Amino acid sequence: NAGVTQTPKFRILKIGQSMTLQCAQDMNHNYMYWYRQDPGMGLKLIYYSVGAGITDKGEVPNGYNVSRSTTEDFPLRLELAAPSQTSVYFCASSLLRGTGELFFGEGSRLTVL
Amino acid sequence: QQQVKQSPQSLIVQKGGISIINCAYENTAFDYFPWYQQFPGKGPALLIAIRPDVSEKKEGRFTISFNKSAKQFSLHIMDSQPGDSATYFCAASSGGGADGLTFGKGTHLIIQP
Repeated sequence: NAGVTQTPKFRILKIGQSMTLQCAQDMNHNYMYWYRQDPGMGLKLIYYSVGAGITDKGEVPNGYNVSRSTTEDFPLRLELAAPSQTSVYFCASSLLRGTGELFFGEGSRLTVL
Repeated sequence: QQQVKQSPQSLIVQKGGISIINCAYENTAFDYFPWYQQFPGKGPALLIAIRPDVSEKKEGRFTISFNKSAKQFSLHIMDSQPGDSATYFCAASSGGGADGLTFGKGTHLIIQP
C-alpha cells in the first residue's frame, strides 16, 4: 500500500507566487488533515476534512485554502506565498474518528524566497 | 496558548538507559493521548497511545504513564537503543478527535552508543 502520498517533496517559491501541494491516500480514510512543522514548534493544524465536500479551518489557516472533491485527494493551495510560509507540510489521514491514529505522508518542504 | 507542553526539548541518553519525556495538558476535555515518533526526512508515526481511564500502558520497551489529576503524561523508553534516536511528539485530542491532534513541540532524543 502506498498510504499517504505527498507531492512535491521539495519546492522553492518566490514571494507572491501560488502553488498547490498535492495529497492522496489509498486507504479509504474519511478524515484528512494538513499540518505544518516548523523547527522546535511541533505540528500545527492548518485545515482538516471529515469527508468529501466538507472542510474546516484548523489553528493556522491564514494564507491557505483546501478542497476535498473526492475521498482520496486533499490538496492544499498557497495563495500569494510569503516567507512565513516556509515550512515542512504534512498531510495525514485517519480511518476512525477519535482514535487519534493519523497516518502521515513524508512531507513537502517549501521554501519561499 | 499552548495546550500541550512537552519537555525536555532535547535529551541525550546512553545506550541501555531509560529515556523519559514529559507532557502536561490544560484542556480537561482531552480524552486521547498518543505519542508519535519521527525520523529525519519522514512523517511522524504512531508509537503508542493511552486513554485517561488507565494509568499506564506498556508496549515492548515503551511505556506511557498517565496522571489524570495532575494532567500529565510521560513516555518511558527502557533499554534505550541508538535506533530509538528520533524526535518524539506527545499529542492530545478531544470530542471524538475529528478536528485532529494538538501536538507538543517535540523532544529530540539522541541515544549514544
